[in-house]
Amino acid sequence: DGGITQSPKYLFRKEGQNVTLSCEQNLNHDAMYWYRQDPGQGLRLIYYSQIVNDFQKGDIAEGYSVSREKKESFPLTVTSAQKNPTAFYLCASSATGQETQYFGPGTRLLVL
Amino acid sequence: QKEVEQDPGPLSVPEGAIVSLNCTYSNSAFQYFMWYRQYSRKGPELLMYTYSSGNKEDGRFTAQVDKSSKYISLFIRDSQPSDSATYLCALVKAAGNKLTFGGGTRVLVKP
Repeated sequence: DGGITQSPKYLFRKEGQNVTLSCEQNLNHDAMYWYRQDPGQGLRLIYYSQIVNDFQKGDIAEGYSVSREKKESFPLTVTSAQKNPTAFYLCASSATGQETQYFGPGTRLLVL
Repeated sequence: QKEVEQDPGPLSVPEGAIVSLNCTYSNSAFQYFMWYRQYSRKGPELLMYTYSSGNKEDGRFTAQVDKSSKYISLFIRDSQPSDSATYLCALVKAAGNKLTFGGGTRVLVKP
């Protein structure tokens, strides 16, 4: 059953804590993306990776970090430097040279 | 000014009506156009993808692109309560480039 999985579904962060969101895909896609969605707003690009061991900053990368050690996995760390982390985080992937992106179910991050 | 503008709604229609959604954009470099449907607290799912001016039909959905006016539309015929969701337009300048999203329009189809 091909697709994108994200975990956890809900995540709670304490003040000053780093947290990591998981994203895994078995679609054999080369490119992977992380977006942030705030209530009533569209998606904003945080980071993207078009190939293993390479990634680029998106429009709102400050306070976030990523790694791409495996083709299937693209974890996102929300660091303590991100002062307003409460949002819905979406991971997506696409095949090389394709415009269409496919999304995971999302992780909702809340601050305690 | 945002690159892509989309009315946030909500747009409320009775069951069976035609739903009309649209996005306008300012940069003529956009060449590929997508519509995604997003249910509450779920990830967006791809509905329609087009790259040329004109209409594209898929079941009850029709996507329309007018590159000269920088205007794209999505029509949903015979709307159902299950069509109640937020609809996002997404535009791309070139293959492999990032998507630029509209803010989404919330649609409510009342039985």
